[in-house]
Amino acid sequence: DAKTTQPPSMDCAEGRAANLPCNHSTISGNEYVYWYRQIHSQGPQYIIHGLKNNETNEMASLIITEDRKSSTLILPHATLRDTAVYYCIVNTNAGKSTFGDGTTLTVKP
Amino acid sequence: GAVVSQHPSRVICKSGTSVKIECRSLDFQATTMFWYRQFPKQSLMLMATSNEGSKATYEQGVEKDKFLINHASLTLSTLTVTSAHPEDSSFYICSAASGGDADTQYFGPGTRLTVL
Repeated sequence: DAKTTQPPSMDCAEGRAANLPCNHSTISGNEYVYWYRQIHSQGPQYIIHGLKNNETNEMASLIITEDRKSSTLILPHATLRDTAVYYCIVNTNAGKSTFGDGTTLTVKP
Repeated sequence: GAVVSQHPSRVICKSGTSVKIECRSLDFQATTMFWYRQFPKQSLMLMATSNEGSKATYEQGVEKDKFLINHASLTLSTLTVTSAHPEDSSFYICSAASGGDADTQYFGPGTRLTVL
């Protein structure tokens, strides 16, 4: 599986958009980009995934660069409940995933 | 949809005893289930991958005789920590995937194991 690089922490003001970057420069052509988040002492929650096109769902938007070497998760209007560790991972349809250290997002009032 | 449950949510046991953790996909059939372990302030570490009806594949450094995994059906996988010791105390999390081109994993809520 390709490795990902994320900033260790970010802050965001409540109501503002949170933009979380992820580098995956060694991603292969058949590997998807997945985003999960983990709130303290809970199992990770699936957010969104994509292959090469930008994706949007009720939780977030995923912007993938044309060369697929990086992506950005966008939470359009962050709330205090969005405070969590956000993980960006890449994997093939084999499903096996390697979790890095993620980005700790703190949403502040 | 895509709900995964784990039972128990937390367990405290004495050193030397065995503990079984169940992972169930409630509204879909999981061709593959994964077991992770997470120590405080660390990321998730994959322990093993299990496919229904076949033996689990363990990651390097994970003792298969200590962490027994059974995936007897498309909705149930169990992890048994045998002869648990205090160093096995951790947060154990399972995930389930239904297969397909984009194999999204859906995670259970986790099980907090404390070995005294």
